[in-house]
Amino acid sequence: DAGVIQSPRHEVTEMGQEVTLRCKPISGHDYLFWYRQTMMRGLELLIYFNNNVPIDDSGMPEDRFSAKMPNASFSTLKIQPSEPRDSAVYFCASRTSGSYNEQFFGPGTRLTVL
Amino acid sequence: LAKTTQPISMDSYEGQEVNITCSHNNIATNDYITWYQQFPSQGPRFIIQGYKTKVTNEVASLFIPADRKSSTLSLPRVSLSDTAVYYCLVGPPGALNFGKGTSLLVTP
Repeated sequence: DAGVIQSPRHEVTEMGQEVTLRCKPISGHDYLFWYRQTMMRGLELLIYFNNNVPIDDSGMPEDRFSAKMPNASFSTLKIQPSEPRDSAVYFCASRTSGSYNEQFFGPGTRLTVL
Repeated sequence: LAKTTQPISMDSYEGQEVNITCSHNNIATNDYITWYQQFPSQGPRFIIQGYKTKVTNEVASLFIPADRKSSTLSLPRVSLSDTAVYYCLVGPPGALNFGKGTSLLVTP
């Protein structure tokens, strides 16, 4: 099994540009999570989906952030416009309904906004 | 989600047993206790999960007292490769709040 796949692995962009991060969960997993990790704030939950439906987006920092899950095998996290304070590592994770809190994480996308 | 408190950092020598304790005084009835491990430049990895008493797997043991207001992750005979950040999470099946975890440094 390929595990959770994220792309790109690294992204460098300039302030004001739109950034799109992509995630492919493990096949058969019906929960998908987006996290952001920084030195200052640690690992924060941004949003999570169940069966492609957003369940809790209270962690999304502001309206510049949006996430979608058009089908069971793909999700995107978009930042528009990007700002330097958005620089972080963004992780995607997935799990099955029956695995309680055992999530499987992707390798992350390191985003740098100049 | 229940608030958790765990040490910011710990040091250990190779071969020793390491115990990391996490406090979670406001744990709810349907909350599970879950521990993750994160190596540099990688995503977190599930280690162990429990509801009460003791749970053991090939990697670690998890001790949970009867009142469930704390838990202890026990790593037997650590090696240099166990140097990582360890997160204690408490909550129902669903969203998890990782916070900053405990940074464990294992030295020769």
